[in-house]
Amino acid sequence: GAVVSQHPSRVICKSGTSVKIECRSLDFQATTMFWYRQFPKQSLMLMATSNEGSKATYEQGVEKDKFLINHASLTLSTLTVTSAHPEDSSFYICSAEDRDGGGNSPLHFGNGTRLTVT
Amino acid sequence: QKEVEQDPGPLSVPEGAIVSLNCTYSNSAFQYFMWYRQYSRKGPELLMYTYSSGNKEDGRFTAQVDKSSKYISLFIRDSQPSDSATYLCAMSGQAGTALIFGKGTTLSVSS
Repeated sequence: GAVVSQHPSRVICKSGTSVKIECRSLDFQATTMFWYRQFPKQSLMLMATSNEGSKATYEQGVEKDKFLINHASLTLSTLTVTSAHPEDSSFYICSAEDRDGGGNSPLHFGNGTRLTVT
Repeated sequence: QKEVEQDPGPLSVPEGAIVSLNCTYSNSAFQYFMWYRQYSRKGPELLMYTYSSGNKEDGRFTAQVDKSSKYISLFIRDSQPSDSATYLCAMSGQAGTALIFGKGTTLSVSS
């Protein structure tokens, strides 16, 4: 089945530094990828929609200058948390739709990245 | 009122029990309904995917969608300790668009 790979799985960084998270579709092409954030015991909250070759669309309340998204190819999207603060500590998860799934394919998720900002 | 409501539990059952999980929603435009299983510190894993109303069965899992009541269910038969996880319902109005998730129900199956 479709596989979405996310890297790194866990990262600890100091406050003020930037962290890049990669999301790759391994066996399919993804025109659209989604970035979610999940706090402990909470549901997944959509942060932004990443479209290959164009600017990402951010949800209300998500700072686009803080969470930089780049979707440079049909198999790779990156999320960079800039000038990270402790309140950015969370579980970040990407998902992707198989472009050739006939428009009726479910979203597949990466295994998430646990970010801890100290 | 949130778009998707899901009782977070926790729900504890003995091995072999039938488990019933459900979600209600308010947006009548939702047409695609999914159930994901999430183990601790892992990404969601797709279990069931249903379009519009009806039932779908896959092994020990059965998904039901009742659009008239805006109510979806996931049944797990012969539950196993390995089924212990958080189960998230998710839905969307169009294929390939971002999903709206429920809060997740934590299930514990004891042997």
